[in-house]
Amino acid sequence: DVVMTQSPLSLPVTLGQPASISCRSSQSLVHSDGNTYLNWFQQRPGQSPRRLIYKVSNRDSGVPDRFSGSGSGTDFTLKISRVEAEDVGIYYCMQGTHWPPLTFGGGTKVEIK
Amino acid sequence: EVQLVESGGGLVQPGESLRLSCAASGFTFSTYWMNWVRQAPGKGLEWVANIKPGGTEKYYVDSVKGRFTISRDNAKNSLYLQMNSLRAEDTAIYYCARDGELTGDLFDYWGQGALVTVSS
Repeated sequence: DVVMTQSPLSLPVTLGQPASISCRSSQSLVHSDGNTYLNWFQQRPGQSPRRLIYKVSNRDSGVPDRFSGSGSGTDFTLKISRVEAEDVGIYYCMQGTHWPPLTFGGGTKVEIK
Repeated sequence: EVQLVESGGGLVQPGESLRLSCAASGFTFSTYWMNWVRQAPGKGLEWVANIKPGGTEKYYVDSVKGRFTISRDNAKNSLYLQMNSLRAEDTAIYYCARDGELTGDLFDYWGQGALVTVSS
């Protein structure tokens, strides 16, 4: 199974400042079709998860452009250019290249300092 | 508008069974892969199972193989998860999640979740 490792576990951020979350996979996420199936999800307190980014860097409809995804192979990053209060929550990366099983990272908790 | 509404959660004793349902609306249910994803209290997300549009292919995480069965009724726009021989470690919120239209377009919509508690 592909193991997804996120860091940090917790990320205190000042409002208006940038934030960066790392996600590493135990093997390359490049699929035989040439795509890389790495997604990012946000889970606000008390809510269901919501997808933010698919295939490394594609923002979902309605996702603010302060969120961006990048990376390749085994190393990926989610960046928030200027953190707002509504960004508080837990962020998960997930791989869909080598399955079953589909696997998630352990999560990164973003909170306001 | 895409909507996924789970039901059927509750409190059961170890070894008992429970069936979750997910009612889908706002899209052509019969053409999409569907998933169950769970989240134990205070823990992260874990994919449980998925099923092809026609129901001919199903996949499971190892920890539920032989105990859980995913199924769908395309005529009723519904997804199901039959959970047998439940264990304390199956206690979680169970989410129904849809895959998008393209390959690898995973979990684009989620339901609100159904809480399953396994305890004596």
